[in-house]
Amino acid sequence: AQSVTQLGSHVSVSEGALVLLRCNYSSSVPPYLFWYVQYPNQGLQLLLKYTSAATLVKGINDFEAEFKKSETSFHLTKPSAHMSDAAEYFCAVSIAFSGGGADGLTFGKGTHLIIQP
Amino acid sequence: DAGVTQSPTHLIKTRGQQVTLRCSPKSGHDTVSWYQQALGQGPQFIFQYYEEEERQRGNFPDRFSGHQFPNYSSELNVNALLLGDSALYLCASSLVVIDGSGRGSDTQYFGPGTRLTVL
Repeated sequence: AQSVTQLGSHVSVSEGALVLLRCNYSSSVPPYLFWYVQYPNQGLQLLLKYTSAATLVKGINDFEAEFKKSETSFHLTKPSAHMSDAAEYFCAVSIAFSGGGADGLTFGKGTHLIIQP
Repeated sequence: DAGVTQSPTHLIKTRGQQVTLRCSPKSGHDTVSWYQQALGQGPQFIFQYYEEEERQRGNFPDRFSGHQFPNYSSELNVNALLLGDSALYLCASSLVVIDGSGRGSDTQYFGPGTRLTVL
């Protein structure tokens, strides 16, 4: 079974500073990895995904994440934080079935990102 | 192009009652997954429907059941509601793409959710 650990339930950064949200995964087979963002009282919006192509994945709103197999990590970064980035961020993992079909997503508990003015 | 839609937005029920939540997938998607998100937690996978059959199920009791219709829309039914069933219920739709290695991958697009409160 897969699992995801997000380090830090709350992360606070100043506006304009680097954002780093940590995610470590566990999977017995090569995983697919995702980062989603959730604003209050809304559904989840996909930021980016890793599906075994390039290890550095670029997403929307200048977010990017790097897949590091040796560290089983998929940390999310953004060079310069904006006030609008304040939200809940979820890392998720799934596995693929040969010949088609994909696993349900397994999510971490989330990291609440706070942007200080 | 409409995204994933869910109805109703909010719902209040009492313990022991039954509830049905509905989901319409994004255009072109054939797979629907349901998740339960308790307050302050990450979403938990309930089950996934493909070709009108339950393809995969998470660790949820049989009180949770579902259905997928020929137009790919889906329903989530919960019987004998408990206080602990209070949560945001998220529907996600996807379309599996087979990559060069023969593995399937999908990107799940989420709806806005249905907030269920059980009193």
